[in-house]
This record gives sequence, C-alpha cells and structure tokens, in this order.
Amino acid sequence: AQSVAQPEDQVNVAEGNPLTVKCTYSVSGNPYLFWYVQYPNRGLQFLLKYITGDNLVKGSYGFEAEFNKSQTSFHLKKPSALVSDSALYFCAVSAANTGGFKTIFGAGTRLFVKA
Amino acid sequence: SQTIHQWPATLVQPVGSPLSLECTVEGTSNPNLYWYRQAAGRGLQLLFYSIGIDQISSEVPQNLSASRPQDRQFILSSKKLLLSDSGFYLCAWSGLDSGANVLTFGAGSRLTVL
Repeated sequence: AQSVAQPEDQVNVAEGNPLTVKCTYSVSGNPYLFWYVQYPNRGLQFLLKYITGDNLVKGSYGFEAEFNKSQTSFHLKKPSALVSDSALYFCAVSAANTGGFKTIFGAGTRLFVKA
Repeated sequence: SQTIHQWPATLVQPVGSPLSLECTVEGTSNPNLYWYRQAAGRGLQLLFYSIGIDQISSEVPQNLSASRPQDRQFILSSKKLLLSDSGFYLCAWSGLDSGANVLTFGAGSRLTVL
C-alpha cells in the first residue's frame, strides 16, 4: 500500500531564510513523487516531480526537492522564502509499477513566511 | 491547451438529499480522472479514479459513487447525503498531455450538508 507522511503540520520561516518542508513515503517498487501547493479556497497546483534520473529536481517559483531513496524522503526546499510562498503544501506519491495512476497525498504542511 | 471544469462551486444540501457533482476536461483524450475530498482544509482523500470509460476504482467504502458516461466527463453522486459528506471536493485529470501522471485540478466544489 502507498502512503505519505508529512510530519510537520506547520512550518514557520522568516522571509529571506531557507525553508524545508519534509516528506517521507512508502510504496512498492519505484516511486513517482510530487509536490503540490494550495492557496486558500483553491485547487492544487503542481510544483515539481521526481520520476527518474537526477535526485535533485527543480520546479516552479524557485522550489526544489531532493529524492533520497535510502531514507525514502522527498523534502521540498527553497533557498530564500518569500511572504507569497505562504500556503498549504502537499507531497504525493504514486507507484511506477502499477502505471502511476493512483496518487496518494500527505496530510499537508502549512507554510507561514513572516516579513 | 487543456482545461478542467468543475461545478457547482458551492452547494448546501440537507441531510438525506441526493448529490451530483460534475467534472469535464477539454483539450485532451482518454484522460485519467480522479475525485478527491479535502476535509477541514487539510489532507486529500482519494475517493475514485478512472482510467477509461466504465473503468472506475473506488478507494474508500462510503456513501458516494462515481460514473464516467463519456471519455472526458466524471460525475460524483450520492443518493442520500450524510453530515459527514461535507467537504471540499476536487476533480483532477492526468494523461499524456499532462506529463508523467501530473495531476491538474479543478477549482473545487464546496459541499455543506446541514
């Protein structure tokens, strides 16, 4: 069975500081990994994905994430946070060996960036 | 380009009444279609997904059902709503045009059951 854990309900960071939002996953076989962002009362927007290849993937708005197979983690990072980054962030996983159709999401981490 | 439409945006229904939420995708063929529910502004629960017409997988036993009468149309239904059905319902699609199972979400439908 697939599962995703986001251990932090909330992350607080000052504007200009680096940010990290943590994610660990469990899946049979190779994972497809994703990060999505949700602004208030909106649908989710895709940020970045890991399918195969380089463990460090870069996405929209300056975000990046590192796939670590041994730790089954896919943490989201940004070198310098902006107030506008404040939102709800979701990590998600699907299983490559079943076609990647079924995508399971974590509980979400709320990011607050203070000016 | 591809677009996804979901309606209604907001719905207030009494307990025991029926429900129908609709989702359509334009600009692509044979999409994978999904219904998720988000409770209390947090985690997303996968309800149903479909990889083709009349191919629907149900993830959670519940008071809801889904149908896919056309290739790009996905409908979420209930015969009798429960209070616990309240939430934010999100339709999504993925496919060859979205790239490696990336989901594109609709704007969501907020359901309040009273």
